[in-house]
Amino acid sequence: DTGVSQDPRHKITKRGQNVTFRCDPISEHNRLYWYRQTLGQGPEFLTYFQNEAQLEKSRLLSDRFSAERPKGSFSTLEIQRTEQGDSAMYLCASSLVHSGGYGYTFGSGTRLTVV
Amino acid sequence: DAKTTQPNSMESNEEEPVHLPCNHSTISGTDYIHWYRQLPSQGPEYVIHGLTSNVNNRMASLAIAEDRKSSTLILHRATLRDAAVYYCILAMNYGGSQGNLIFGKGTKLSVKP
Repeated sequence: DTGVSQDPRHKITKRGQNVTFRCDPISEHNRLYWYRQTLGQGPEFLTYFQNEAQLEKSRLLSDRFSAERPKGSFSTLEIQRTEQGDSAMYLCASSLVHSGGYGYTFGSGTRLTVV
Repeated sequence: DAKTTQPNSMESNEEEPVHLPCNHSTISGTDYIHWYRQLPSQGPEYVIHGLTSNVNNRMASLAIAEDRKSSTLILHRATLRDAAVYYCILAMNYGGSQGNLIFGKGTKLSVKP
């Protein structure tokens, strides 16, 4: 297992188009998180799954955003009708649920540019 | 959400120890203290985490104050590859399992040769 994989690494899209990103977590990790990061800021939490259940969504996740994790393995994040303000790095992370606390493993991210 | 306070930036010389401070005066008794670092154009990388006791791993040491209101990440010998933004984060503990991580702006560490 080589860690958390995200695809694509870069995406340029025109305003108003839909985009979908994929995240493949570490296989034994049952939690999966999506974050967004703009230049000069720390990552902002969007949503997370435990297995296939979406347990929490941030207020940042507008109705144009939807995330799925259909079989508790990989996840997709879709943005509909993209806007220039959606330009950011989208990061995925995975972890185990563990009573002793557990480090999160992040992917390298998908950089979205909306033109 | 519990907040952390870190200096915006710090400088270090190569091969010298670095102590990165973090204040978290509103920490609750079950929050975990996490540290991550991020290199340009990469995702954050886990460094270390702890609850009450000091922790050591191959990357760094974490010193936690007795009252848990502050902590310090210690890099024993800084290298140029340690230049990154370091985030101190509190992970809330929900009934024994961690919640999501809330990032601040972190400390940008520069390492001089």
